[in-house]
Amino acid sequence: EAEVAQSPRYKITEKSQAVAFWCDPISGHATLYWYRQILGQGPELLVQFQDESVVDDSQLPKDRFSAERLKGVDSTLKIQPAELGDSAMYLCASSARLVDEQFFGPGTRLTVL
Amino acid sequence: AQRVTQPEKLLSVFKGAPVELKCNYSYSGSPELFWYVQYSRQRLQLLLRHISRESIKGFTADLNKGETSFHLKKPFAQEEDSAMYYCALSKDNNDMRFGAGTRLTVKP
Repeated sequence: EAEVAQSPRYKITEKSQAVAFWCDPISGHATLYWYRQILGQGPELLVQFQDESVVDDSQLPKDRFSAERLKGVDSTLKIQPAELGDSAMYLCASSARLVDEQFFGPGTRLTVL
Repeated sequence: AQRVTQPEKLLSVFKGAPVELKCNYSYSGSPELFWYVQYSRQRLQLLLRHISRESIKGFTADLNKGETSFHLKKPFAQEEDSAMYYCALSKDNNDMRFGAGTRLTVKP
């Protein structure tokens, strides 16, 4: 069964360093989402892509976060520089189309020291 | 702005007892509402959505627009229902907003 893949699963970094997360959606899924989930809270949407275009990045802290999906397939989320408050689980999800069911990856747990 | 509130962080019931996980929302348009579930060591996954009107694993949820609620119910809880449950609301473009979640524990 096709699944969303994410790497790495865990990342420990020091503040002010750069980090990058990778997501490979289910094949054929046009819509890709990045969420941040802080401990004890629900996922918060950071950015949403439709193919290679950004549909919504209103919650993305653009001074330090960037996301790309150059060929409309896999995607990278980058943080530079990382801050202590960025420690969280970063989830990627994909759906076949807008308003379809979202399928989630296992997440990348980031710890910033 | 849309908002989803799950008032209970923790909920504990005995096996065989009824369970209701509460979800309230605020949104000026016509919402699309979902319940997602995360079992231990598994990925977040869709449990049900209000437009499908299905019963999944014995769970149902009714959208009450007057009370702006979308509570999740099951008449007889099972131990395997123990999990983290998230209520979520989607706008037209699928901008999904999640509640903070309720951890359900079903005791034997």
